[in-house]
Amino acid sequence: ETGVTQTPRHLVMGMTNKKSLKCEQHLGHNAMYWYKQSAKKPLELMFVYNFKEQTENNSVPSRFSPECPNSSHLFLHLHTLQPEDSALYLCASSQVWAEGGEAFFGQGTRLTVV
Amino acid sequence: ELKVEQNPLFLSMQEGKNYTIYCNYSTTSDRLYWYRQDPGKSLESLFVLLSNGAVKQEGRLMASLDTKARLSTLHITAAVHDLSATYFCAVDNTDKLIFGTGTRLQVFP
Repeated sequence: ETGVTQTPRHLVMGMTNKKSLKCEQHLGHNAMYWYKQSAKKPLELMFVYNFKEQTENNSVPSRFSPECPNSSHLFLHLHTLQPEDSALYLCASSQVWAEGGEAFFGQGTRLTVV
Repeated sequence: ELKVEQNPLFLSMQEGKNYTIYCNYSTTSDRLYWYRQDPGKSLESLFVLLSNGAVKQEGRLMASLDTKARLSTLHITAAVHDLSATYFCAVDNTDKLIFGTGTRLQVFP
């Protein structure tokens, strides 16, 4: 079982659909993150959760809605997306305040909005 | 606001050659990470650098950190095709990682 698991791996949705991305970490970490990776753009931090509390919302449009029910699970709820939201969405987790503190990434969800 | 810049953005190099990728960042931080990403794949952690002067080596890759200069380098020695990937540096900023633009490396025979 990999450390950080994301589902689905691929998602095609229409602009009027509602869907959710799921992330689960098996590393016992206390922080989880959503990143967006678009073609020709740097990795953009979207949301940060420390100990299940959202500590960062990086000016993300409200059509993206995160949810962190516990320290092992993170969701990204999607509704009325735009074609420019098509990207690779990466979930990561880390142990904050720990020696090292590196983030471990899931395989990502490749999202296409049509 | 923390900014992280990498250069070069693209690097095409011949097998057997050496080269260095640079990562500059704009505010104080003593934690820096290097990641590798293969096409269509996720990010794989390569190095964790936690203090000024830290140097880590793995195979043909060596990473270093100079916190006073706010600079990290990733040095490639005698490149091989398997090193072809995109390399990202990331700087810790109050318990979140801010990534550089990435350096796309292509190694050819």
